[in-house]
Amino acid sequence: AQSVTQLDSHVSVSEGTPVLLRCNYSSSYSPSLFWYVQHPNKGLQLLLKYTSAATLVKGINGFEAEFKKSETSFHLTKPSAHMSDAAEYFCVVSDQAGGGNKLTFGTGTQLKVEL
Amino acid sequence: DSGVTQTPKHLITATGQRVTLRCSPRSGDLSVYWYQQSLDQGLQFLIQYYNGEERAKGNILERFSAQQFPDLHSELNLSSLELGDSALYFCASGPRAGLSYEQYFGPGTRLTVT
Repeated sequence: AQSVTQLDSHVSVSEGTPVLLRCNYSSSYSPSLFWYVQHPNKGLQLLLKYTSAATLVKGINGFEAEFKKSETSFHLTKPSAHMSDAAEYFCVVSDQAGGGNKLTFGTGTQLKVEL
Repeated sequence: DSGVTQTPKHLITATGQRVTLRCSPRSGDLSVYWYQQSLDQGLQFLIQYYNGEERAKGNILERFSAQQFPDLHSELNLSSLELGDSALYFCASGPRAGLSYEQYFGPGTRLTVT
C-alpha cells in the first residue's frame, strides 16, 4: 500500500528566505512522486514530478525537489520565497501496486509568506 | 488556465437528490480523472477514464458513477446525496493512460448539499 505524509500542516517564512516543505512516502514499488500547488479558490497546478530519472527534479517558479530513496523523502525547496508562493502544497505518490494505478495525496501544507 | 473546463461552477441541492457534474478535457487529452476535496477527507482520487474506458478506481462510493463519452468529455453522477458529499469536485485531464504522467486540473465544481 502506498501513502504519503506531509510533515507540516503549516509553514510560515519571510519573503526572500528559503522554503522547505517536507514529504515522506511509502510505496511497495518504484513510485512516481509529484508536488502540486493550489492557490485559493483555484484548481491544482503541477509544480514538478519524479519518475525514476534524475533524483533532483526542477520545477516551475524556482521550486525543486530531491528524491531520497534511503530516507523515503521527497522534500520541496525554493531558495527564496515570494509573496505569490503563498498557497497550499500537496505531495502526491503514484504507483501500480496490485495491478492497478492509484494516486494518493498528502494532507497538504499551507505556506504563508510574510513581508 | 489549464484548458480543462468544468460545469457548473457551483451547485446547491438537497439530500437524497442526484446531480451530474461535467468535465471537458484539454484538447487532445484522452484521460480524465475525478477527485473530491473536502475538509474531512482531504483530496481523494475517485476514478480515471482513458479513451472511454475505466482505467483506475480510487475511493469512489457506490452511489457515485462516472463515464467518458466518445467526444472524451466526462460526467460524474452523484446520487442519493448526503450532507457529507458536500465538497469541491475536481476533474483533471492528461494525454496518457498512466497515473505517473502529469495531470491538468480544472477549476472545480463546488457542491453543497443541504
